[in-house]
Formats: sequence, C-alpha cells, structure tokens
Amino acid sequence: DSGVTQTPKHLITATGQRVTLRCSPRSGDLSVYWYQQSLDQGLQFLIQYYNGEERAKGNILERFSAQQFPDLHSELNLSSLELGDSALYFCASSVESGGGGVEETQYFGPGTRLLVL
Amino acid sequence: AQKITQTQPGMFVQEKEAVTLDCTYDTSDPSYGLFWYKQPSSGEMIFLIYQGSYDQQNATEGRYSLNFQKARKSANLVISASQLGDSAMYFCAMREARFSGGYNKLIFGAGTRLAVHP
Repeated sequence: DSGVTQTPKHLITATGQRVTLRCSPRSGDLSVYWYQQSLDQGLQFLIQYYNGEERAKGNILERFSAQQFPDLHSELNLSSLELGDSALYFCASSVESGGGGVEETQYFGPGTRLLVL
Repeated sequence: AQKITQTQPGMFVQEKEAVTLDCTYDTSDPSYGLFWYKQPSSGEMIFLIYQGSYDQQNATEGRYSLNFQKARKSANLVISASQLGDSAMYFCAMREARFSGGYNKLIFGAGTRLAVHP
C-alpha cells in the first residue's frame, strides 16, 4: 500500500458526460501528479500540483482540469468525454521539498479505471 | 525523440532464475533520476528502485538491483531469484532536473511484460 488513495476504482460513463476523479496523497506529501495510462499512448503525465498551485502541465486536454485543495487532496475533472478518454488514471504524490530533486520518488495510487461508452 | 526505450515487450524466466530487463534513456541534462516501477495485473504501480545520475554505486533493493551504465545511457533492472509473484509489467522511468513544460514529471518507457514460469 503506497498510502495514496484514489476514488472511485472504476467508473463507467457515456460520451459527452463529465466525471471527477479524486486523489488523497500520502501524509506529508505536498505534490500531486496525474497520469493517464492508455493502450495506445502508454503512461503520460497530465498535470502537477504543489501545495495548492499548478506546477507543471503535460499532455492534458483542454476538456480536462484539475485542482488541489487546502487539505492537499486533488481532483481531476474530465468533461465532454470521448471514447478515447477510456484509460487508467493515476494519481501520484511526492514530498517535493521545493528543490525539485530528481531523487524524490513519486508514489502511485491504485488508479481509477475509466470506461467511456 | 523517445526518452526512455524498453526494447523487450515480453520476457520469460524460470522461477528462481535471475532476469535482466533492459532500459535505455536519452537526456542532455547532467542531473536526472531513473526509476523502475512494477505493475501487476491488478493495475497498481509499485515503486521498486531508484538510481541517481551522480550515484557512484549501482542501486540495490532486496532482490532488485540496477545495472547503471552511464556512458551507455542504460539502466537495466536485474531481478534475482525470480518468484511467481514477479510476473507483471515493469516500467522504466526518468525524471530530469529541468524540463520545459513538465518540470518534475516522470517519463515512462513502454514497459516489459515479465512472465515467471514454475
């Protein structure tokens, strides 16, 4: 158990709908990362939040947005869903001491498996 | 340009034998970190081992060790005494010290599926 929790574990929805994925980082971790794992794209970085503020953006679609709340949990919002959005969405967290050290390990949650029908 | 290359889509190993999973990387940054994660069929991503670009010695964690060859830009994972529970996907990942548009992100390879046979 990494200490990172994600809900829900599974989500089935229809095209055009909107869903919210939730993540609670490990105790003491200030940074939260979102990744998408799909068969055709592999594991891709979406976005990072550090202590409530957006730190970095990756290949995140405009239909997707995220935020990190004062208690450090994070939500990833996916809207106008398309079939191609079906994937495993991971949240990861790290301490992120502020220097952005390359040694800081990201610990992953169990993921949310999204299926868009 | 692909940053992390895992050339072995699948590997087989006999239980109790050792196996090496290959990973090569590409970066111009002198400071970087290399990570290996395991993804069992249940889907979670489990951190296994870390190697820093300035580390003088190869990293080891229990039955996992990293064969780090900096000049060749390779960071192969060695699993000794394979167990049935080692059957999973294994991902190599890199984190660069500075990366425009994605500071601190992990860049993953395509993964290697390892099957351990009894």
